[in-house]
Amino acid sequence: EAQVTQNPRYLITVTGKKLTVTCSQNMNHEYMSWYRQDPGLGLRQIYYSMNVEVTDKGDVPEGYKVSRKEKRNFPLILESPSPNQTSLYFCASSFGTSSYYEQYFGPGTRLTVT
Amino acid sequence: KQEVTQIPAALSVPEGENLVLNCSFTDSAIYNLQWFRQDPGKGLTSLLLIQSSQREQTSGRLNASLDKSSGRSTLYIAASQPGDSATYLCAVLMNTGFQKLVFGTGTRLLVSP
Repeated sequence: EAQVTQNPRYLITVTGKKLTVTCSQNMNHEYMSWYRQDPGLGLRQIYYSMNVEVTDKGDVPEGYKVSRKEKRNFPLILESPSPNQTSLYFCASSFGTSSYYEQYFGPGTRLTVT
Repeated sequence: KQEVTQIPAALSVPEGENLVLNCSFTDSAIYNLQWFRQDPGKGLTSLLLIQSSQREQTSGRLNASLDKSSGRSTLYIAASQPGDSATYLCAVLMNTGFQKLVFGTGTRLLVSP
């Protein structure tokens, strides 16, 4: 089954404790990205990757890091999480950057930072 | 800066009604517009994708229209069912050279039996 998976699905952590949220897709997609969703603000893009070893900042990259060492994986790293990073996070992927390609979303990771 | 607005924020209808969800955007320089469905605890499911050169797309009971010049899109749901209850999001793909979707804040739909 074609899908985007994220782990963990739920995470409660404390301020400053480094964490990684994994994202993996089995569709051989080139393009992957991370979004966060907050009430009243909608989904906002954090980082995106056009291919292996090619990443760039989205609208709200502060406090996050990413890497793309393999085509299928695009982990999101929070080096020192803070309470304002409490949010619902989505990973997405698509075949490429053409407008004809739909983006497929993972199930989301709900992160709480206390 | 692109802004996407969805009205209403919430909608409650009885089963069987036809309904329209609205989406407006401020910058008409878009590649496409997508409608998504979001269920609690689940990800986003793409419903319809309309290219900037198209006027509408249909899938089953769903019909989405796009008027790029006026910055508007509507999602029409025919003969609504309780299973249609979800949050509906519209998003525009900006022609910035990479895939950046700008989302609206959604319409939360409740269809009661």
